[in-house]
Amino acid sequence: EVQVVESGGGLVQPGGSLRLSCATSGFTFSSHWMHWVRQAPGKGLVWVTRINDVGTTSTYADSVKGRFTISRDNAKNKLYLEMTSLRAEDTAVYYCVRDSHSSGMDVWGTGTTVIVSS
Amino acid sequence: DIQMTQSPSSLSASVGDRVTITCRASQSISRYLNWYQQKPGKAPKLLIYAASTLQSGVPSRFTGGGSGTDFTLTISSLQSEDLATYYCQQSDSLPLTFGPGTKVDIK
Repeated sequence: EVQVVESGGGLVQPGGSLRLSCATSGFTFSSHWMHWVRQAPGKGLVWVTRINDVGTTSTYADSVKGRFTISRDNAKNKLYLEMTSLRAEDTAVYYCVRDSHSSGMDVWGTGTTVIVSS
Repeated sequence: DIQMTQSPSSLSASVGDRVTITCRASQSISRYLNWYQQKPGKAPKLLIYAASTLQSGVPSRFTGGGSGTDFTLTISSLQSEDLATYYCQQSDSLPLTFGPGTKVDIK
């Protein structure tokens, strides 16, 4: 079964850091670009960042540029999101998402919740 | 950035009704438009990609259309399990952007 499972969310103070992980299985991880998408409570979906299949190219939304870093370990079939200088507005459910080669984001995890609050 | 808008923001319809949701891009995106369904408390699910291609396993009552700046998602015969919020998303250029969503309720 194709699966992505996020972990690492939690409560963090403003200015703090957190590292999210995404464990993948059931598909050839190294063949797919991957995304992080977030959803603030009661709000819509917002794309955060994307990384290419080999981990050499990444792109970020302006709102997180310079604070978040996406990375991957193809040997471990894992995706990561390093978040620093966290703000209240970063509070959201963070989804790890597979890119289906220009055919949409076709596999979503259940999400991990990040709450930034003092 | 390409802005995506959707209308209506919400709708209520009866089982069996035909429902159409509209998505508009702030500039032409060819057919780089995807639709997602998010049921309450769940992760989004890909319904349609490239404007009109049905994702595997998605019921045929869902159809997508359009190109350029104007797109539609139609549910030909609404079912109770279609209660959800529907989002369009452009994949033409970065940053990828989603519409604000259309919440579909069942009367």
